[in-house]
Amino acid sequence: TQLLEQSPQFLSIQEGENLTVYCNSSSVFSSLQWYRQEPGEGPVLLVTVVTGGEVKKLKRLTFQFGDARKDSSLHITAAQPGDTGLYLCAGVENAGNMLTFGGGTRLMVKP
Amino acid sequence: ETGVTQTPRHLVMGMTNKKSLKCEQHLGHNAMYWYKQSAKKPLELMFVYSLEERVENNSVPSRFSPECPNSSHLFLHLHTLQPEDSALYLCASSQDLGLKGTEAFFGQGTRLTVV
Repeated sequence: TQLLEQSPQFLSIQEGENLTVYCNSSSVFSSLQWYRQEPGEGPVLLVTVVTGGEVKKLKRLTFQFGDARKDSSLHITAAQPGDTGLYLCAGVENAGNMLTFGGGTRLMVKP
Repeated sequence: ETGVTQTPRHLVMGMTNKKSLKCEQHLGHNAMYWYKQSAKKPLELMFVYSLEERVENNSVPSRFSPECPNSSHLFLHLHTLQPEDSALYLCASSQDLGLKGTEAFFGQGTRLTVV
């Protein structure tokens, strides 16, 4: 069992659709991050959330940190083919100092 | 360009070969990491260095040997690997360990194939 569970594992949608992916844990995190990884590249940081209930927007992407700081969601509005990639959440547990990654959601947006 | 450079980008090696992966960061970060990314598996943390001292070794087989000669450079020495070691090896750095500064900046990875 992973510390951070991401769902769904795979998602294939048409351009223009909306989607939400989730990152869940039974542990409390001091912060959570979302990364996007494109084929043949390393993950690139999209956002960091640190306060329970926090919402951050990055163009068509909306990130939310759960009130209890155990979960997070990423919502994409009007998805585009350029959004295709592996979305990874990562967090530092309250009592820890290491970054732990979830298994990722592989998103494909078809034109 | 994330400021973390890995070489080579691709490597094919036989099981009896010895090779090294190199990582360099120009961000002034104090912590550096090696991760393994296999198909159908999440990112696996292999080694962590903070201020050139190894602080984490996640039960990695001894055929993988890290080296951190200074805070800007990290190596992963490989010898007598197995085909199941084929994967994308990612290097990352962060300002520090701990609650602040654990945002990780990744290199592009080395795609390793063991034949």
